[in-house]
Amino acid sequence: GAVVSQHPSRVICKSGTSVKIECRSLDFQATTMFWYRQFPKQSLMLMATSNEGSKATYEQGVEKDKFLINHASLTLSTLTVTSAHPEDSSFYICSARKQGARPYGYTFGSGTRLTVV
Amino acid sequence: KQEVTQIPAALSVPEGENLVLNCSFTDSAIYNLQWFRQDPGKGLTSLLLIQSSQREQTSGRLNASLDKSSGRSTLYIAASQPGDSATYLCAVRWNYGQNFVFGPGTRLSVLP
Repeated sequence: GAVVSQHPSRVICKSGTSVKIECRSLDFQATTMFWYRQFPKQSLMLMATSNEGSKATYEQGVEKDKFLINHASLTLSTLTVTSAHPEDSSFYICSARKQGARPYGYTFGSGTRLTVV
Repeated sequence: KQEVTQIPAALSVPEGENLVLNCSFTDSAIYNLQWFRQDPGKGLTSLLLIQSSQREQTSGRLNASLDKSSGRSTLYIAASQPGDSATYLCAVRWNYGQNFVFGPGTRLSVLP
């Protein structure tokens, strides 16, 4: 199979603090990982694409200095929400692309519910 | 611009009914299309994946069809059950991109 583990599943933090979310591919190597977020009653929107060993590519309107993405290995990508504010409260989910898989190589994590109080 | 829309936004049916969820997308140059299920507060469960060369995929009581020329896909659920209650998301990957673009979802309630 192709399993993606995302932690934590839920996190509550105080305004102004930073939160790190991890996305791990457990049984495959992922050269590319995607980070999405979903605000209440809205659809999932792509935030950024991270490639192992290089800088992430951010979608328009996503602050790269606020949402730090690190993809230092083929099995781990992290998203750090810096100086979180209540408006950052959202559902964050990652997706990993299995290296070499054709044609279907994308697996989604179980998501992280972030609440900033 | 790549857009995915879904109709209806919400649907409530009695148990046992067959139902159809609709997905529309701009630009027929898709790589594949995927249907997901999302339970409240949970992640995504992949239901069916249709490659651009395919016209339909089936899994149990679920059948997904794809008509690229008209930019549409449908998800057919047979003999619905209360456990089918969830939000169903349609996501499209185009040939010129790596990521999926998601539709807004259809919130399904199956009443016992």
